[in-house]
Amino acid sequence: LAKTTQPISMDSYEGQEVNITCSHNNIATNDYITWYQQFPSQGPRFIIQGYKTKVTNEVASLFIPADRKSSTLSLPRVSLSDTAVYYCLVGYNTGFQKLVFGTGTRLLVSP
Amino acid sequence: EAGVTQFPSHSVIEKGQTVTLRCDPISGHDNLYWYRRVMGKEIKFLLHFVKESKQDESGMPNNRFLAERTGGTYSTLKVQPAELEDSGVYFCASSPQIRANTEAFFGQGTRLTVV
Repeated sequence: LAKTTQPISMDSYEGQEVNITCSHNNIATNDYITWYQQFPSQGPRFIIQGYKTKVTNEVASLFIPADRKSSTLSLPRVSLSDTAVYYCLVGYNTGFQKLVFGTGTRLLVSP
Repeated sequence: EAGVTQFPSHSVIEKGQTVTLRCDPISGHDNLYWYRRVMGKEIKFLLHFVKESKQDESGMPNNRFLAERTGGTYSTLKVQPAELEDSGVYFCASSPQIRANTEAFFGQGTRLTVV
């Protein structure tokens, strides 16, 4: 399972776009990139998953460059409720295998 | 549809006592995982069930921890005897055995405090 590196923390204000970048230099050919969000006193929650280029859903966008050695989670127009820890995970068959969580990025959104 | 349910949400026990945590996965999910986060550390994998079978228990810290999944439905994680370092939040997750790269659904966790 590829190791990931992401910033420990980020600060933002309501209404801004937030981009969290994750490095995964040793990503394997079959690996997918998955992001989870965790609020205090809750379990992690799946946000988005991608393999290459760009993926968008109702919550976020995921940008993956051609070399796939990094990825960027983009949260458009954040609100106070987006304050959470965001985890970047890399692996294959992520529904069937254990997830390897790193330190995550603690995002604080202020008014 | 009900999500992953964990019980209890909090547990405070004395060192040396026994505690049993329960996880009810989403109905029909064959995969069930246990994770935990101890104070100040990252979320770590404990073990993985596929139905009633242990697929991977490489993350279990020692033989004081026993996990079961009777009939491939709910799972229990027993800690006996509990030690101070077992304090933390224990998460359960489940996923369907349908296709690769699906998401895992997590419960809200059980906060265990050993005093």
